Amino acid sequence: ILNVEQSPQSLHVQEGDSTNFTCSFPSSNFYALHWYRWETAKSPEALFVMTLNGDEKKKGRISATLNTKEGYSYLYIKGSQPEDSATYLCAFPNFGNEKLTFGTGTRLTIIP
Amino acid sequence: DGGITQSPKYLFRKEGQNVTLSCEQNLNHDAMYWYRQDPGQGLRLIYYSQIVNDFQKGDIAEGYSVSREKKESFPLTVTSAQKNPTAFYLCASSTQSGANVLTFGAGSRLTVL
Repeated sequence: ILNVEQSPQSLHVQEGDSTNFTCSFPSSNFYALHWYRWETAKSPEALFVMTLNGDEKKKGRISATLNTKEGYSYLYIKGSQPEDSATYLCAFPNFGNEKLTFGTGTRLTIIP
Repeated sequence: DGGITQSPKYLFRKEGQNVTLSCEQNLNHDAMYWYRQDPGQGLRLIYYSQIVNDFQKGDIAEGYSVSREKKESFPLTVTSAQKNPTAFYLCASSTQSGANVLTFGAGSRLTVL
């Protein structure tokens, strides 16, 4: 079983503040790193799929970076809004890209 | 609209009973997956199928069974052999090519009384 770790486990952020959290994954046999957002009472939705070392992807106020050599990815949220409250999951595929192993998630709560 | 439909949304079961959770997709995806979520834990893979009539065990397959007779359908049976079946179950699918991004259903919450 692959070891995918996320930190912190939970986070409370004041509305308007920026925040970031981390996903750590095995640095060997890297194929891709996925980020998903899971809002309460909804289905998880894909945010980013990152494949290249040094890659940076952006969707609105949310961005992610990737370091495959040291095995981590950061997710940044700029100017947090209440709708950003969700659990953010990262996932790492096995070598054959047949299945994803998920981290435990970072539960983000934005305080109005 | 294309998507994944899971049913039922909530299910209660007595100990010793088998129960089947339905998962149907109209996305024409080849691969389908079942994950389980427990409080404080990440999504754990139960079973997955990359093609019709074929499936593989995930990390926590004991006490579960699946079938993949049709591309659109991947039902999960929680058997009486599963020691701790109370959980939230998520079905997902993907194209099984390229980035292999998952599309998820809304989930089924199973409670064993």
